[in-house]
Amino acid sequence: NAGVTQTPKFQVLKTGQSMTLQCAQDMNHEYMSWYRQDPGMGLRLIHYSVGAGITDQGEVPNGYNVSRSTTEDFPLRLLSAAPSQTSVYFCASSYGTSGGPTYEQYFGPGTRLTVT
Amino acid sequence: GDSVTQMEGPVTLSEEAFLTINCTYTATGYPSLFWYVQYPGEGLQLLLKATKADDKGSNKGFEATYRKETTSFHLEKGSVQVSDSAVYFCALIDSWGKLQFGAGTQVVVTP
Repeated sequence: NAGVTQTPKFQVLKTGQSMTLQCAQDMNHEYMSWYRQDPGMGLRLIHYSVGAGITDQGEVPNGYNVSRSTTEDFPLRLLSAAPSQTSVYFCASSYGTSGGPTYEQYFGPGTRLTVT
Repeated sequence: GDSVTQMEGPVTLSEEAFLTINCTYTATGYPSLFWYVQYPGEGLQLLLKATKADDKGSNKGFEATYRKETTSFHLEKGSVQVSDSAVYFCALIDSWGKLQFGAGTQVVVTP
């Protein structure tokens, strides 16, 4: 198993550009989520999905879109990048229930994004 | 809402020293509690967990006990190694089923 994979590892964008961060898992996990990690703030939930075709907002969803067309993939789209979106982005997945993740979450290696 | 507070770092220790990282939580009900570890340049890995009061989670020499009366889940290790240098995150699953993380504590172990 590859686990949770993320691409790219590093990205530099100019303000106003758009891009998609890719996330894939091969563990047949129902639950997938995106977090951003900023110094001194821990990880904050951006969006999550409890299964294919079902997504919902987390704590900091503004400026980001997601979709879940397959169980394996959960891409995160930045619509119009802003310097405030400079961060490290982590994708995670787990077996879940309808209430959210109740099992161990497996994290990808992260994408370091800089917006200038 | 539910939240986690953990001690600020960095915590700098010598090899073989005793490590404690304090974590307290605010929650409705009795959430499951977790410690995650992030090694440099990597994603987070689950270190240990506890799902009910008085449970003790343990892994790789680390331990944490779910204390309902003090709403705490402090992480301890009796003798740290250089390889334990990492950022440690305390977390809980909130009433909506989502993970809430503390801010993280960086631990630096010197030879």
